[in-house]
Amino acid sequence: SQTIHQWPATLVQPVGSPLSLECTVEGTSNPNLYWYRQAAGRGLQLLFYSVGIGQISSEVPQNLSASRPQDRQFILSSKKLLLSDSGFYLCACPGQGGSYEQYFGPGTRLTVT
Amino acid sequence: GIQVEQSPPDLILQEGANSTLRCNFSDSVNNLQWFHQNPWGQLINLFYIPSGTKQNGRLSATTVATERYSLLYISSSQTTDSGVYFCAVRAGGGNKLTFGTGTQLKVEL
Repeated sequence: SQTIHQWPATLVQPVGSPLSLECTVEGTSNPNLYWYRQAAGRGLQLLFYSVGIGQISSEVPQNLSASRPQDRQFILSSKKLLLSDSGFYLCACPGQGGSYEQYFGPGTRLTVT
Repeated sequence: GIQVEQSPPDLILQEGANSTLRCNFSDSVNNLQWFHQNPWGQLINLFYIPSGTKQNGRLSATTVATERYSLLYISSSQTTDSGVYFCAVRAGGGNKLTFGTGTQLKVEL
């Protein structure tokens, strides 16, 4: 089965600083990958998804960007963080064998001060 | 886009009690999942249930796709069941899961 790793687990960054969050997946190849954000402890919102290397789709306009440099690596970035970027960021991918069931990584808790 | 509503928003139970959580959605779906978010934020997959009924231990779920709702049953609740329960759906040919706002469950001794 697939395993999703996220790094770092927690992060405190000042407004205006850059951001790089990493998601890596094991146990599967060429997966669809997703970045979600959870604000205020309720409801997740899809930010980006990728169907392959270099292919990124954005769901909502925002201060963030995503990249997929390798098959099983998904990066979430920002050049200059805003206070509103604070939240819990989760990476997800589908189960194996063409399943539509999505599985989530442990998340990164970002606080912008 | 599709709307997903969960009820109740908050629920407090005594240990050993049973409960039913509801998820209503506004359009046809081809994927419905229930998750439990633990105190550390980890989303734990409970059920993948676009239709029908499934059971896993003290938990069971039923989705009636034609009537656009799903129910999650928790029996003999335990303190470890505390947390937020989310319903999420995938509609049409899109890639994303649309989440409900969750039910915050607290189980007390």
